[in-house]
Amino acid sequence: DTEVTQTPKHLVMGMTNKKSLKCEQHMGHRAMYWYKQKAKKPPELMFVYSYEKLSINESVPSRFSPECPNSSLLNLHLHALQPEDSALYLCASSARGGSSTDTQYFGPGTRLTVL
Amino acid sequence: QQQVKQSPQSLIVQKGGISIINCAYENTAFDYFPWYQQFPGKGPALLIAIRPDVSEKKEGRFTISFNKSAKQFSLHIMDSQPGDSATYFCAASSRSGNTPLVFGKGTRLSVIA
Repeated sequence: DTEVTQTPKHLVMGMTNKKSLKCEQHMGHRAMYWYKQKAKKPPELMFVYSYEKLSINESVPSRFSPECPNSSLLNLHLHALQPEDSALYLCASSARGGSSTDTQYFGPGTRLTVL
Repeated sequence: QQQVKQSPQSLIVQKGGISIINCAYENTAFDYFPWYQQFPGKGPALLIAIRPDVSEKKEGRFTISFNKSAKQFSLHIMDSQPGDSATYFCAASSRSGNTPLVFGKGTRLSVIA
């Protein structure tokens, strides 16, 4: 099973709301990623977790807060977002933490709209 | 140095034709070159990947050609089908320095009957 699941599929939120995105994988992977993808653009890396520890934060604004409760779960907490944060948020996982050349498996994404 | 330049931005190919997408990089430390395919509303999915110890890798109708000296790699889709219509991203990363995956800007492929 090479599946990464993400919930919800779609999310609409106001600028004062607090919401969370959830990602799950059961492949035993030890690296998990959050990407942001705008229309007609490539995915942009936001965060990398390696062995449940945050290893890369690509200077993401603090209104995005990642959390990795265990090796299978990854959350992205959202607070006080701006309309320009509307995008497809993708989660990915790969087998080994600390290895940038392992295949990354992507989930289907959460389509976020900020009003 | 971290960029991967991808061309063309969009491509229209007749059914049964060959689709060719090219990528170039500067960072000689890159040692892993995957191609991802993305359909609308879906996440990217790994299509095929190559490491610099080989010059070509073929999987079914998909072939990566790799030219280490020119720092270029390309994806060839033989016998292109309408179902291949998607956006294709090349990418690169490096084991040394644990450089995260760097994506090209993408090519939107349309295969017409």
